[in-house]
Amino acid sequence: SQTIHQWPATLVQPVGSPLSLECTVEGTSNPNLYWYRQAAGRGLQLLFYSVGIGQISSEVPQNLSASRPQDRQFILSSKKLLLSDSGFYLCAWSGLAGSRYFGPGTRLTVL
Amino acid sequence: AQSVSQHNHHVILSEAASLELGCNYSYGGTVNLFWYVQYPGQHLQLLLKYFSGDPLVKGIKGFEAEFIKSKFSFNLRKPSVQWSDTAEYFCAVNSFRGSGYNKLIFGAGTRLAVHP
Repeated sequence: SQTIHQWPATLVQPVGSPLSLECTVEGTSNPNLYWYRQAAGRGLQLLFYSVGIGQISSEVPQNLSASRPQDRQFILSSKKLLLSDSGFYLCAWSGLAGSRYFGPGTRLTVL
Repeated sequence: AQSVSQHNHHVILSEAASLELGCNYSYGGTVNLFWYVQYPGQHLQLLLKYFSGDPLVKGIKGFEAEFIKSKFSFNLRKPSVQWSDTAEYFCAVNSFRGSGYNKLIFGAGTRLAVHP
């Protein structure tokens, strides 16, 4: 069965510091991968998606970037964090007809 | 632009009460519809989905949802809620763009609190 991992689970970073959040998927090959940010009362906002290695599309302009160095690895990064980057970040892969399967998430607090 | 609206942000019920959470979407083309649930401290997980066929869809834990195309709605229902149904519920709509990617749009979510 498919499993999706994210780490770290929680992270506290100062403003201006870099960021790297990692997501890996097991049990499937060539998945579509997604990064979402979840904010209270605002649902899930799609940040990036990837249909293959090295292929990244951004849904919204922002301070973050994404990379896909391997088929089942998806990384969310920033060179300099802003306070507004605080949030709950979810990685997901898509299954049948667009169903999304989510990882456990990373709670990021920028101070 | 496509959007998904969930009418209630917070719902408070007593155990055994009936539940209906509203979801409306704006998109005129082919869609797939989903309800996701996030229990406290747990992953976001799929509750049920509609692709085609019978517009009344049954999911896990006694939940069901009805797709009414004329109303662009996909409301979630449960006849009798339990304390363990306390969670946040998200409606989502998948619109098709073409090969390789389909966009899943989420509603803002509804927090359900069930009191014993």
